[in-house]
Amino acid sequence: GESVGLHLPTLSVQEGDNSIINCAYSNSASDYFIWYKQESGKGPQFIIDIRSNMDKRQGQRVTVLLNKTVKHLSLQIAATQPGDSAVYFCAENMVGGKLIFGQGTTLQVKP
Amino acid sequence: DTAVSQTPKYLVTQMGNDKSIKCEQNLGHDTMYWYKQDSKKFLKIMFSYNNKELIINETVPNRFSPKSPDKAHLNLHINSLELGDSAVYFCASSQSPMNTGELFFGEGSRLTVL
Repeated sequence: GESVGLHLPTLSVQEGDNSIINCAYSNSASDYFIWYKQESGKGPQFIIDIRSNMDKRQGQRVTVLLNKTVKHLSLQIAATQPGDSAVYFCAENMVGGKLIFGQGTTLQVKP
Repeated sequence: DTAVSQTPKYLVTQMGNDKSIKCEQNLGHDTMYWYKQDSKKFLKIMFSYNNKELIINETVPNRFSPKSPDKAHLNLHINSLELGDSAVYFCASSQSPMNTGELFFGEGSRLTVL
């Protein structure tokens, strides 16, 4: 069935530490994955994406890792800042162009 | 310039009423979407239109009727509102229907049904 899940609903980290947010997906045929960030009162915003022919992709302070063997996706944020506090969603592109979102992990950054 | 704009931002109404949420995108995208976000932050796709044609229609009650007068606009009309319709509704757009690029979301419209 369609299911994208995150391991932890809330993650609390100290400012300056690295954050790792995890996501498990169920459809082994999915070929494209995206991480979104949603700040309070706003719509989700694109952070980084990865295709299934890659296992790692880096952006500015963010890295996405894809493990197709265990159908696992993670988002790593380096040197987490207060502005990183938000809800993070992984999303999986299904056949037919439907983007299925996971339930979200709330990242809290402690000063 | 706001890329995807939706109005109203807040909507409070009584059960049984009919209401509409409007959405416009100025990105020149071909594809637009409506997503519903519940109180637990779960985002679920409702509809998708590509160039004014419906391409995704999830299991949504037929009280919900999307309308796309042109590819830059996708409005959502809801008849006979129920308590369970209370949620934040997000409009989004993408360059193509295959989601091979990012979705651009609006700021959301919070609907509260009393």
